[in-house]
Amino acid sequence: DAKTTQPPSMDCAEGRAANLPCNHSTISGNEYVYWYRQIHSQGPQYIIHGLKNNETNEMASLIITEDRKSSTLILPHATLRDTAVYYCIVSLASSGYALNFGKGTSLLVTP
Amino acid sequence: NAGVTQTPKFQVLKTGQSMTLQCAQDMNHEYMSWYRQDPGMGLRLIHYSVGAGITDQGEVPNGYNVSRSTTEDFPLRLLSAAPSQTSVYFCASEGLAGGMQFFGPGTRLTVL
Repeated sequence: DAKTTQPPSMDCAEGRAANLPCNHSTISGNEYVYWYRQIHSQGPQYIIHGLKNNETNEMASLIITEDRKSSTLILPHATLRDTAVYYCIVSLASSGYALNFGKGTSLLVTP
Repeated sequence: NAGVTQTPKFQVLKTGQSMTLQCAQDMNHEYMSWYRQDPGMGLRLIHYSVGAGITDQGEVPNGYNVSRSTTEDFPLRLLSAAPSQTSVYFCASEGLAGGMQFFGPGTRLTVL
């Protein structure tokens, strides 16, 4: 599986968009990009995933560059409850049953 | 649906003791996994299963055994607990449609 690089921490003001970057320059053509988050010490929570096209759901948007070497997770209107560690994961499997988590980005949303 | 459940929530063991961490899911998911998370670190995959009777090793399998006799249950056994196994353990499951893993609340294990 391709490795990912994320900034260790980011801040965002409440109500603003949070844009979390992820580099995955060695991604192969059949690898998906997954995003999960972990609030405090709870179990991780799935956010979104994609292969090539941009994706959007009720939680977030995923923007994948055309060369697929990087992506950005966008939380359009961050709230205090979005404070969490966000993990960008690249996996060969279309079903991510064997995900390899890194250290992620610790996002702090401030009032 | 209860989703993914884990028991116990907390456990303290002495070095050399054995125990089983329980994980169950009621979503009829084929895929199940065990992860551990050390303080300040991301999750690391211990073992996973793609269906009843089929298991495989992840990144950090040493000191742990698993079996999958039913679709619902995926217990993790610590054979001889060591202080290095002090961690938070998460179980996860995923359906055949793929793309989304569901995690349990975790078991916080301390080995003295």
